[in-house]
Amino acid sequence: DIQMTQSPSTLSASVGDRVTITCRASQSISNLLAWYQQKPGKAPKLLIYKASSLESGVPSRFSGGASGTEFTLTISSLQPDDFATYYCQQYNSAPYTFGQGTNLEIK
Amino acid sequence: QVQLVESGGGVVQPGGSLRLSCVASGFSFSDFTMHWVRQTPDKGLEWVGFMRSDGSNYYVQYLRGRFTISRDNSKNMMYLHMNSLSADDTAVYYCAKQGAASAPYFDSWGQGTLLTVSS
Repeated sequence: DIQMTQSPSTLSASVGDRVTITCRASQSISNLLAWYQQKPGKAPKLLIYKASSLESGVPSRFSGGASGTEFTLTISSLQPDDFATYYCQQYNSAPYTFGQGTNLEIK
Repeated sequence: QVQLVESGGGVVQPGGSLRLSCVASGFSFSDFTMHWVRQTPDKGLEWVGFMRSDGSNYYVQYLRGRFTISRDNSKNMMYLHMNSLSADDTAVYYCAKQGAASAPYFDSWGQGTLLTVSS
């Protein structure tokens, strides 16, 4: 199975900050990676697919990047609504696996 | 708009069985592969399995034989049949719609239904 390792586990930041979350795959996944946002008690919400394609309706302050087996989710200017937990997911091959999550909290 | 609504969760004794349901609306259900994903505080998000529109399916290895996915395209319904339940199966179970053909990321999720396995 492909292991997805996210870092950091927790990130403290302020409104207006630029933040980056990293996800590393244990093997090549051909950029077949998605990012989700989850708020307490709610289902995950798709933000980005194919490593850098923005899902319809998602603000442009969210962006995804890729370099080999390392992937990034960047939020260019944090808004109050962005404080949540973020997950990456590879869909290159089954079983489709998720990172352990990054909790983005208010500093 | 796309809506997915799960039901059927509850408290089940160890060794018991349960069937979860997911009703879909707002899209052509029969055209899409549908998935089940579960979430626990300890293990995070775990993909369970999928069923394609043609009825073919695939499961995570450690659940094969105990979990079965079925669907009824005429009713826009998907089901997750679970047997020999243990405390490790305690989780919130989500149904999720695949984003695109041959691209199993999940562009819509239900609100989740909680299964608790406990005596």
